[in-house]
Amino acid sequence: AQSVTQPDIHITVSEGASLELRCNYSYGATPYLFWYVQSPGQGLQLLLKYFSGDTLVQGIKGFEAEFKRSQSSFNLRKPSVHWSDAAEYFCAVGTGGFKTIFGAGTRLFVKA
Amino acid sequence: DSGVTQTPKHLITATGQRVTLRCSPRSGDLSVYWYQQSLDQGLQFLIQYYNGEERAKGNILERFSAQQFPDLHSELNLSSLELGDSALYFCASSVGPGQRTDTQYFGPGTRLTVL
Repeated sequence: AQSVTQPDIHITVSEGASLELRCNYSYGATPYLFWYVQSPGQGLQLLLKYFSGDTLVQGIKGFEAEFKRSQSSFNLRKPSVHWSDAAEYFCAVGTGGFKTIFGAGTRLFVKA
Repeated sequence: DSGVTQTPKHLITATGQRVTLRCSPRSGDLSVYWYQQSLDQGLQFLIQYYNGEERAKGNILERFSAQQFPDLHSELNLSSLELGDSALYFCASSVGPGQRTDTQYFGPGTRLTVL
């Protein structure tokens, strides 16, 4: 069955430290992958997406993600976290059907 | 700003009542998706419309219904409300009919509180 797993419910990093949020997917065909961010009380904003080509994808706000087919992963990274990055992050996969499957989300806390 | 608008932002009502949530997609987008986000269930897909026609159904209760109008705005109707229906309801839109490559753009959501 198609699924998206974000193993970490929450993560705390210090401001200025690097960040990696994990995402694993289960999907039989070529995956189309997305990362969204949701700030408190806000809707989801698209950070980046992968459809094909270069497996390292650059997004907005200094984020990047790397698609690794062999590991069925699409981890999100940022070299230096800012306090404003505190939010919930959702990984998603576009399936062959008519809907996108979202992971349960990872809440990021940033400490000063 | 994604270009997707939702009204109202907040809604407080009582059990047993009926409410209507409204969504206007981004200009040029033909698909509208509705999601429910609650603490215990996460982000759940409810239903999708494409160019006025229902395209896909997810975990939508029979008490809930939706439609998309000729001007492409959509309404989600929730009836016989229960306490457990309290949640954030998001609308998203995309250009296409829901293919894997379609990117969904989300509105700010409507927070529904059922007392």
